[in-house]
Amino acid sequence: DVKVTQSSRYLVKRTGEKVFLECVQDMDHENMFWYRQDPGLGLRLIYFSYDVKMKEKGDIPEGYSVSREKKERFSLILESASTNQTSMYLCASSSGLAAVTDTQYFGPGTRLTVL
Amino acid sequence: AQSVTQLGSHVSVSEGALVLLRCNYSSSVPPYLFWYVQYPNQGLQLLLKYTSAATLVKGINGFEAEFKKSETSFHLTKPSAHMSDAAEYFCAVSVPTNAGKSTFGDGTTLTVKP
Repeated sequence: DVKVTQSSRYLVKRTGEKVFLECVQDMDHENMFWYRQDPGLGLRLIYFSYDVKMKEKGDIPEGYSVSREKKERFSLILESASTNQTSMYLCASSSGLAAVTDTQYFGPGTRLTVL
Repeated sequence: AQSVTQLGSHVSVSEGALVLLRCNYSSSVPPYLFWYVQYPNQGLQLLLKYTSAATLVKGINGFEAEFKKSETSFHLTKPSAHMSDAAEYFCAVSVPTNAGKSTFGDGTTLTVKP
């Protein structure tokens, strides 16, 4: 079974803090994703990585950056957290072999609260 | 650009009743469609996906969906709801020109009443 783990289930941070969200997958997947999930808005893609050190902006990259130094790990960074970044953050991975028909495998999510 | 619209943010059914969750897509190229389910306090997991091999797709837990090009729809059904089906359901679309990425709908929360 593919396993995607996220470093924290719940996180509380202060406005202006630098925040790191970590994601690790154990299936040697090429692709990794960060989404944020808000009620009524579904999942919105923040960043996508298709290889080590390769990244692509998603639909809502403003205020976020990412890092992928190793294939299995994809980090989401909030350089200066703001209250409007309070949300559920979901990490996912996919093999990259079938591309358009790839299944995405999701972690359990990190619920971030910025005070 | 591709998109999906899920009709009804909340659907409530009685246990044993038919489940019907609606998804319509928009795409200028042939789409590939997915249904994911999210149980409380968990990430999403794949229920089923349409990859053009067959228009009627069977998934896990008794769910199925039918791709109807003429109606640009990919509705999810289950003949008899179970209490354990209570969850949030997401429809997603992927196209070759945006390979590797999917666009998700806003989600439909299914409530199952005893």
